[in-house]
Amino acid sequence: SQTIHQWPATLVQPVGSPLSLECTVEGTSNPNLYWYRQAAGRGLQLLFYSVGIGQISSEVPQNLSASRPQDRQFILSSKKLLLSDSGFYLCAWSPLRGQRSQQYQETQYFGPGTRLLVL
Amino acid sequence: GENVEQHPSTLSVQEGDSAVIKCTYSDSASNYFPWYKQELGKRPQLIIDIRSNVGEKKDQRIAVTLNKTAKHFSLHITETQPEDSAVYFCAATSRGSGAGSYQLTFGKGTKLSVIP
Repeated sequence: SQTIHQWPATLVQPVGSPLSLECTVEGTSNPNLYWYRQAAGRGLQLLFYSVGIGQISSEVPQNLSASRPQDRQFILSSKKLLLSDSGFYLCAWSPLRGQRSQQYQETQYFGPGTRLLVL
Repeated sequence: GENVEQHPSTLSVQEGDSAVIKCTYSDSASNYFPWYKQELGKRPQLIIDIRSNVGEKKDQRIAVTLNKTAKHFSLHITETQPEDSAVYFCAATSRGSGAGSYQLTFGKGTKLSVIP
């Protein structure tokens, strides 16, 4: 079965410091990968998604970036954190079209999340 | 792009009563509509989903209905229990920019409180 991991689970960082959050998926190949941010008591904001190694699409222009150095690894980074970057960061994966029947390709499964507090 | 509206934002029901959450979407090409449940401090969990070729789907106390013509879909929870208390998100598929890429556009969520 498939498993998605995220670390760290929680992080407290000062304003202006760098950030690196990691997400890995096990038990599948060529997944679509997604990064979401959820502010306290709010909805899910899509930040980035990737359909393959080195292929990143950005949904919201901001001081964050993403990379996919390996098929099942997705990294969210920042060079300088802002107070507004605080939130719950969720990684998600979905089967890639053609890997499974089209009926299931859009289902997204979320990781446990990283809670980030910028002070 | 796709736009998903979700109502109500908060909902309180007595234990044993039914709860209904409604969502509308804008993109007539959307064909997949999942519902997620998020308990406090935890990840969203898929609870039920429906495809555009189906009008209704049930799983025990949970059901989802879809009206493609009106572009709206609803989550129905019967015989609510305190453990149903959570935030519920609806979503609709939208096409990404890359080949084979799909995104989910989420509603803003409904906080359901089941009062014992």
